[in-house]
Amino acid sequence: SQQGEEDPQALSIQEGENATMNCSYKTSINNLQWYRQNSGRGLVHLILIRSNEREKHSGRLRVTLDTSKKSSSLLITASRAADTASYFCATAPPGAGSYQLTFGKGTKLSVIP
Amino acid sequence: SQTIHQWPATLVQPVGSPLSLECTVEGTSNPNLYWYRQAAGRGLQLLFYSVGIGQISSEVPQNLSASRPQDRQFILSSKKLLLSDSGFYLCAGGGLAGVVQYFGPGTRLTVT
Repeated sequence: SQQGEEDPQALSIQEGENATMNCSYKTSINNLQWYRQNSGRGLVHLILIRSNEREKHSGRLRVTLDTSKKSSSLLITASRAADTASYFCATAPPGAGSYQLTFGKGTKLSVIP
Repeated sequence: SQTIHQWPATLVQPVGSPLSLECTVEGTSNPNLYWYRQAAGRGLQLLFYSVGIGQISSEVPQNLSASRPQDRQFILSSKKLLLSDSGFYLCAGGGLAGVVQYFGPGTRLTVT
């Protein structure tokens, strides 16, 4: 079953604008990850935030995590046409011995030059 | 990091024909390996995962099976394809839960 749900399903912005995507999940997590998928390609890991972290940065990416609301957001600043892709959140459950990530359905981002 | 190789990139097969998709891993030993299926415009559905040679766990009942004959080789198979088996199949490698997963380029399977 899919735990993460991204919002919005699709987002279209102009180059240079910021893009914000949200992810909600249902059960406790060890960490939450964001991945990017260019059309027809495999997924690429972007950033991981642990359950005891609230914010993390990587280049033009900023991720926040609110475990009380079971939600996360991904902010891409100063977007570029090359950022056009689908973005997925994935959650990892707590505890050892579990090997699965549960992916959401993704947000399709279009950046217009 | 790991590099995941998958082939073929695209495949068109008739209903009832067999299937074999291969995935190999480079750059690590004893990785956890995963097969996912992605329907058009949808998220990823975990099909199988493996924590070692010969160890396969299935997440959903289906027309597919998986095998891991070698540490860095993961194979997805079917004896007789159904139309509903069409989709984008992704192989991934990673460590224990919570560690990043590395994905292959995927195989687009169309069953006609």
